[in-house]
Amino acid sequence: EAGVTQFPSHSVIEKGQTVTLRCDPISGHDNLYWYRRVMGKEIKFLLHFVKESKQDESGMPNNRFLAERTGGTYSTLKVQPAELEDSGVYFCASSRTSSYNEQFFGPGTRLTVL
Amino acid sequence: RKEVEQDPGPFNVPEGATVAFNCTYSNSASQSFFWYRQDCRKEPKLLMSVYSSGNEDGRFTAQLNRASQYISLLIRDSKLSDSATYLCVVLAGNMLTFGGGTRLMVKP
Repeated sequence: EAGVTQFPSHSVIEKGQTVTLRCDPISGHDNLYWYRRVMGKEIKFLLHFVKESKQDESGMPNNRFLAERTGGTYSTLKVQPAELEDSGVYFCASSRTSSYNEQFFGPGTRLTVL
Repeated sequence: RKEVEQDPGPFNVPEGATVAFNCTYSNSASQSFFWYRQDCRKEPKLLMSVYSSGNEDGRFTAQLNRASQYISLLIRDSKLSDSATYLCVVLAGNMLTFGGGTRLMVKP
């Protein structure tokens, strides 16, 4: 079974540019989560999709971040315009059901904003 | 105050040693508890769930004290391959809350 995949693995952009991160969850997993780890800090929750619906987006830092999951399969996380403090590692995770099933993490996208 | 607190380490131990990590959490509504392992520049992977009754998986033993909001992980007979960052993770609702991690380095 293929795991959670994320693209790109690394992205280096300049402040003010736009970046879109993609996550493909494990096939059949309805739940998809985005997390991020900024330098020196712990991994923090951003949001949770159940299929195509946003279940909880309380962790989204501001309106420069937009997450979508059209069709309930893969998800994208767009940062527009990117700021220096957005640099970090963005992890995606998926799980089969909401009531706790293990969340499987993707390898992450390392974003550097210059 | 962080929601999940861990000593960042590093803990430097020789092979074969026993090492213990602790963590405390602040949200009394948390319902599930885990230890994840993260290797350098890799994703977190579930090591084990933690139960009040205590649970063991080979050389690893985890314990939860709900009254004290305290979680522990004991690693016996440390191997070089145990070197990693160990993340204390708490679930409330569907949101995982991570501690900052404790770094373990096992040396020959």
